[in-house]
Amino acid sequence: RKEVEQDPGPFNVPEGATVAFNCTYSNSASQSFFWYRQDCRKEPKLLMSVYSSGNEDGRFTAQLNRASQYISLLIRDSKLSDSATYLCVALTGANNLFFGTGTRLTVIP
Amino acid sequence: DTEVTQTPKHLVMGMTNKKSLKCEQHMGHRAMYWYKQKAKKPPELMFVYSYEKLSINESVPSRFSPECPNSSLLNLHLHALQPEDSALYLCASSPAGVPGELFFGEGSRLTVL
Repeated sequence: RKEVEQDPGPFNVPEGATVAFNCTYSNSASQSFFWYRQDCRKEPKLLMSVYSSGNEDGRFTAQLNRASQYISLLIRDSKLSDSATYLCVALTGANNLFFGTGTRLTVIP
Repeated sequence: DTEVTQTPKHLVMGMTNKKSLKCEQHMGHRAMYWYKQKAKKPPELMFVYSYEKLSINESVPSRFSPECPNSSLLNLHLHALQPEDSALYLCASSPAGVPGELFFGEGSRLTVL
């Protein structure tokens, strides 16, 4: 079983739509979680950390449910520039970061 | 622009060659990472250096040899690679105390013939 699993996608949504991505992790010892975005043929970039209480950054909201070992990312009012692959990441131990397979989002005009 | 610089951006090598990938950061980060990424796959962790000491080696074959000469530099020495080693090699760094917040370089795209 993979450490981190994500919706495979792809998600094709119109501009202005709200879209949600889900992610589950298998190791209950994972202590921190993150969402990264990766544009085509570019490096991953940190989008946001995920806190236990949930956190919001503009149009982006991340939620963590430790009991269900589940992380989500909600994007409101999608923009064309949001088109990318979104990677869910779990940290286990000091520096062991596991990336999910990623979910591809395309926002359509 | 990324603050982690990787060279070369592209590398083509034969299976008998010896080459090196280089990574540099000047953000004062004390953890540095090598990841391997194949097309349409997530990054896979290879090595982690923490305070210039190798802290994680994810069972990577010995034909990949990491080196951390100082806190700003990270090298990956390549020798006798196989065609299946062709991939994008990403270097990243993270601040002390915030291991999940990685800053990636643009990567070195390696092709092994």
